[in-house]
Amino acid sequence: AQKITQTQPGMFVQEKEAVTLDCTYDTSDPSYGLFWYKQPSSGEMIFLIYQGSYDQQNATEGRYSLNFQKARKSANLVISASQLGDSAMYFCAMRGVKPSGGGADGLTFGKGTHLIIQP
Amino acid sequence: ETGVTQTPRHLVMGMTNKKSLKCEQHLGHNAMYWYKQSAKKPLELMFVYSLEERVENNSVPSRFSPECPNSSHLFLHLHTLQPEDSALYLCASSPGRPGQGNNEQFFGPGTRLTVL
Repeated sequence: AQKITQTQPGMFVQEKEAVTLDCTYDTSDPSYGLFWYKQPSSGEMIFLIYQGSYDQQNATEGRYSLNFQKARKSANLVISASQLGDSAMYFCAMRGVKPSGGGADGLTFGKGTHLIIQP
Repeated sequence: ETGVTQTPRHLVMGMTNKKSLKCEQHLGHNAMYWYKQSAKKPLELMFVYSLEERVENNSVPSRFSPECPNSSHLFLHLHTLQPEDSALYLCASSPGRPGQGNNEQFFGPGTRLTVL
């Protein structure tokens, strides 16, 4: 079974500051993928960044980076130079990687962190 | 139209009604998913379809009935729902490449369902 824990229900951050959103996970799968999604008040889930368990380097996508510490089973999202439009719910999610067949595996999500950027 | 679309965006129904949620993806993906998002709970995976075959059913009550007539369309048929079924229902699709970890899922805007 897989489990995602996000310990920060809500965060207030000043505009232009960097933000770190915490995520720890638990899985028995030898290979897995970690995802971060953003959900604005409109409801749509927007994919931000992906980290594979065997990737050598931490993933980066523009202002988003993933601080992946495999031994600690953590995959924190870092947002640099936060903007007012970053205010949203942020979800950490994971899936196991089956080497054969399928490829259609559902994601396990955490409860999310509500990030509010203040001017 | 691009991406994943869902209709209706909002739905209010009584416990004796029958309604259907529709999802359509224009991404050429092979896998489609239904998730339920209730207040203060993590998103819960309900159903997974791969190449129009149901590959996962996460102990969902039979009052929810999925249908995938082709790889671009996914329905969720609802009947005799309970007030606790009120939630945001999200559809997603992914390329469905076997053995690939970064099969990122693209989500639709969701249907906000209220059961009276």
